[in-house]
Amino acid sequence: SQTIHQWPATLVQPVGSPLSLECTVEGTSNPNLYWYRQAAGRGLQLLFYSVGIGQISSEVPQNLSASRPQDRQFILSSKKLLLSDSGFYLCAWTLARREQFFGPGTRLTVL
Amino acid sequence: AQSVAQPEDQVNVAEGNPLTVKCTYSVSGNPYLFWYVQYPNRGLQFLLKYITGDNLVKGSYGFEAEFNKSQTSFHLKKPSALVSDSALYFCAVRDVIPTNAGKSTFGDGTTLTVKP
Repeated sequence: SQTIHQWPATLVQPVGSPLSLECTVEGTSNPNLYWYRQAAGRGLQLLFYSVGIGQISSEVPQNLSASRPQDRQFILSSKKLLLSDSGFYLCAWTLARREQFFGPGTRLTVL
Repeated sequence: AQSVAQPEDQVNVAEGNPLTVKCTYSVSGNPYLFWYVQYPNRGLQFLLKYITGDNLVKGSYGFEAEFNKSQTSFHLKKPSALVSDSALYFCAVRDVIPTNAGKSTFGDGTTLTVKP
């Protein structure tokens, strides 16, 4: 069966510090991968998606970047965090006509 | 372009009563439609989907949804609500075109509160 992991679960970082969030998927090959941010328990904002290794598309210009160094690994990064980067970050994957499968999320607080 | 609207931020029902969470969508082609549920500080969980076929779709935990093409709606329903159904519910739509990389557009969410 397929599983998706995210870490860390929670993170508190000072403004201006770097960020690296990791997402890995098990039990499937060549998935489409997505990073979302959710503010205040409401709607999802799609940040990045990837259809293959090294292929990253950005949905909104911002202080973040993403990379996919391996087929089932998706990393969200920042060189310098802003207060506005705080939120709940969700990784998800899908194949073809299937629904999206979400990870447990990372709660990021920037102070 | 694809979009989805959940017109109600909050839905309150009494336990044992039927519940409906509304969703309308817009796509340029044919839609794939999904409902997800989110509990506090957790990722979204898939409830049900419409891809093709029967307009009435049955999913997890006794939930169902009806695809109505003429009204471009996909409302989530349950005949008898439970307190444990209280959560945040998201409707999502995906246009059936190969070039959109499987991207879904999510509604803003509806908070369902079921009172004992």
